[in-house]
Amino acid sequence: GEDVEQSLFLSVREGDSSVINCTYTDSSSTYLYWYKQEPGAGLQLLTYIFSNMDMKQDQRLTVLLNKKDKHLSLRIADTQTGDSAIYFCAEGLSGNTGKLIFGQGTTLQVKP
Amino acid sequence: KAGVTQTPRYLIKTRGQQVTLSCSPISGHRSVSWYQQTPGQGLQFLFEYFSETQRNKGNFPGRFSGRQFSNSRSEMNVSTLELGDSALYLCASMGGPTNYEQYFGPGTRLTVT
Repeated sequence: GEDVEQSLFLSVREGDSSVINCTYTDSSSTYLYWYKQEPGAGLQLLTYIFSNMDMKQDQRLTVLLNKKDKHLSLRIADTQTGDSAIYFCAEGLSGNTGKLIFGQGTTLQVKP
Repeated sequence: KAGVTQTPRYLIKTRGQQVTLSCSPISGHRSVSWYQQTPGQGLQFLFEYFSETQRNKGNFPGRFSGRQFSNSRSEMNVSTLELGDSALYLCASMGGPTNYEQYFGPGTRLTVT
């Protein structure tokens, strides 16, 4: 079946690293995505990783993928108060379609 | 390049009415997907259109329908509105260098009273 799970809440201090975790069930996923949603806004694409990759780094963001355990993580280095938002992981299924399966979102709270 | 645009941004409708939402994808993107976001159910996939054809469909009743035009703009329609249809409706267009980059619009906030 198609299911994506995330922890609901994470609180960190400004300047620390944040790690948001996600697990998924469908082994046919092609791409895995991380989105950020601020209050009242749509989803902002942060980064994505192809399912045959282990890691992707993009400035302060590092994505790690463990395909065997179906585990995805997003690390934000030097977390800032502006990073406070809800973070969603999503998997795109095989067949190059636009259907994404989303987790329930992790609320990241950054304390000054 | 302009991003994904959605109109209107806010809508208030009465139960039993119908509503049409519009989405313009990023220039060059041919895939448009629609999602419903609610506090209780989270983000749920409605359907996807590619080159004017529905390519994928989620588990929503037939009251939810969509279409895509030759310029890739898309509309979704909800008929016989119910209170539970109150949600943020998000449109996404897919394309980019890998063809897998999916960008979302700001959404249309629908309130059904």
